[in-house]
Amino acid sequence: AQSVAQPEDQVNVAEGNPLTVKCTYSVSGNPYLFWYVQYPNRGLQFLLKYITGDNLVKGSYGFEAEFNKSQTSFHLKKPSALVSDSALYFCAAALLNKFYFGSGTKLNVKP
Amino acid sequence: GAGVSQSPRYKVAKRGQDVALRCDPISGHVSLFWYQQALGQGPEFLTYFQNEAQLDKSGLPSDRFFAERPEGSVSTLKIQRTQQEDSAVYLCASSLAGGGIDGYTFGSGTRLTVV
Repeated sequence: AQSVAQPEDQVNVAEGNPLTVKCTYSVSGNPYLFWYVQYPNRGLQFLLKYITGDNLVKGSYGFEAEFNKSQTSFHLKKPSALVSDSALYFCAAALLNKFYFGSGTKLNVKP
Repeated sequence: GAGVSQSPRYKVAKRGQDVALRCDPISGHVSLFWYQQALGQGPEFLTYFQNEAQLDKSGLPSDRFFAERPEGSVSTLKIQRTQQEDSAVYLCASSLAGGGIDGYTFGSGTRLTVV
């Protein structure tokens, strides 16, 4: 079965510190990989995607993600967290017109 | 419109009632998708349309769920004889072309609560 795992339900980080939100996937073939962010009572907002090429992908709001094929991982990173980054983050793998989402990681950035 | 619009935003249904959820995709978007997001979970695929053709409905959990997009634009997700386990946020997404190449634009969802 195809699946995406986000091993941390919650990540806590102090403002100004670097953050990492982890994601691994078990999807056949070469899926496209995505990160989305969800604020309360809002839809999913696109952050970044990996299709091919450079393993480090840069996205919106200073976020970046690192693709590692051997570890089937696609971790989300940001060098300096902001309080406004606090939200729910979803990793997803897309294959054949279908997204497989992880269960989400709640990011808490404390001032 | 500028984004994907879903209505209603909130729906409370009594168990056994039929409901209809509407999705207005971005104008010109060929592909339309429905996802179900249960509380504390990631979205799960329900069904996919390319124009008016429903190409994949493998995620629909039972025959009580039905989706249509008769003119290739607006889509309706209908749930018959709602059950408590149907309580979730139903997300609609559209994309200009099929597949994940350009990503999806998601609507804000309809939160369905079955009591």
